Parts: sequence; structure tokens; C-alpha cells
Amino acid sequence: QVQLVQSGSELKKPGASVKVSCRASGYIFTKFAMNWVRQAPGQGLEWMGGINTNTGSPTYAQGFTGRFVFSLDTAVNTAYLQISSLKAEDTAVYYCARGDYCNSDGCSPGEIDPWGQGTLVTVSS
Amino acid sequence: EIVMTQSPATLSVSPGERATLSCRASQSVSSNLAWYQQKPGQAPRLLIYGASTRDTGVPVRFNGWGSGTEFTLYISSLQSEDFAVYYCQQYNSWPLTFGGGTKVEIK
Repeated sequence: QVQLVQSGSELKKPGASVKVSCRASGYIFTKFAMNWVRQAPGQGLEWMGGINTNTGSPTYAQGFTGRFVFSLDTAVNTAYLQISSLKAEDTAVYYCARGDYCNSDGCSPGEIDPWGQGTLVTVSS
Repeated sequence: EIVMTQSPATLSVSPGERATLSCRASQSVSSNLAWYQQKPGQAPRLLIYGASTRDTGVPVRFNGWGSGTEFTLYISSLQSEDFAVYYCQQYNSWPLTFGGGTKVEIK
């Protein structure tokens, strides 16, 4: 079955970096976009952007440029989210979630399914 | 960016009753609208896509309706497992955007 498995919770100090992994199985990894969604404590869902798994080209939503980097390792069907210069307000659960079809021309916007289990990143001194 | 607005923020319903959740888009998204359910401590789960198509395994008591800018999720005869937060999301254009959510709680 289609499944996304994320890395475990992280506790980081302000200014540090974190890299969250998302391993996909059960489908052809390079045919579907991988989205990243943030959920701050007690808050709603916020689309951070996504990556074209066919070309490796990332797209970042407003507010997620500069310190946020999406990357891939297609050899192991894994997507990554790296956040640098962490701040307290980055404390959140980060989800990877499969999007719609991708090809060399881009990805179609689509519903998001399935979702990874989420990775809690806590930033605290 | 298309802004998605959900109402009400909280809906108190007794088990067995029907719940009606609304979602409005700031501009037309055609039928490119999905609904998700999220329970505490869990990842969201896709319920409805294409505004009205239930995802595999979703009970028939969940029904989506609407197109353009106005959408509704109906949950008939609420079961205990249905008390959760529900989000709508448009995928008509980038960036993908979510509504703020409606929490369905036990009355």
C-alpha cells in the first residue's frame, strides 16, 4: 500500500538546523509531487510548498523561502525538508504528503493523499 | 492566492445528528476542492476530493457538495469516531490553500 514514513521527533536549539526525512513506498516515487505541510501547536494546516520528484525542482510558498529547503534522494525514494537558523516559532509538526502527478513540465495541483505520520520539531533553548 | 474560509469554527452536535460544515473560496475553484478529517495526534486523512467524490473506504454518511466558491460537507448521523477537525483545501491553482478548519465536538 502507498505509505509515507517520516523521521522521528527533534529537539533543537535556536539557530540550529534540522533535516526531516520522508520515505515513500508502494508507488512510483518520481511520478507524484511531494508536499510539505506545517501545523503549529493548536493551529491549522499550512502548505509550505512541494517538490517535483521527476525533476527535483522545488516550489516554496510565501513565508517559506530562504531557510527552508526541499530535496530528494530518488535512489531511496526519500524526500527531505531542511530548516536552518531555527527559531522558536518553527516549533510545529511537519507533514510530508503526496500530491498529484508530475512530469518534466511540472506538477498538477491536486488533493493530498496520503500523509506521513508527522514529525514534531521543537525549538527551545 | 485563493483564501479558503470555513464556518463555523466549532460545531457542537449530538451523536446521531447531522452536521453541516461550510467552506467558501475567495474566487472560483471549480470542483477542485478536497475535505480532510484530522483527529487529535493524527495526520489528516483525505475524505472527499473533486468536491463530492468520497475517497476509498470513507463511509457513505460523508457527503460533499458544491462548486465554484461555495462548498458543504455533510455528515449524516454522527458517530463517535467523527468528532474531529475538518479542513477544506483548494487545488485549482498554486499555491494550495487550506481553510482554517471546523472542529466538530460532542454536544
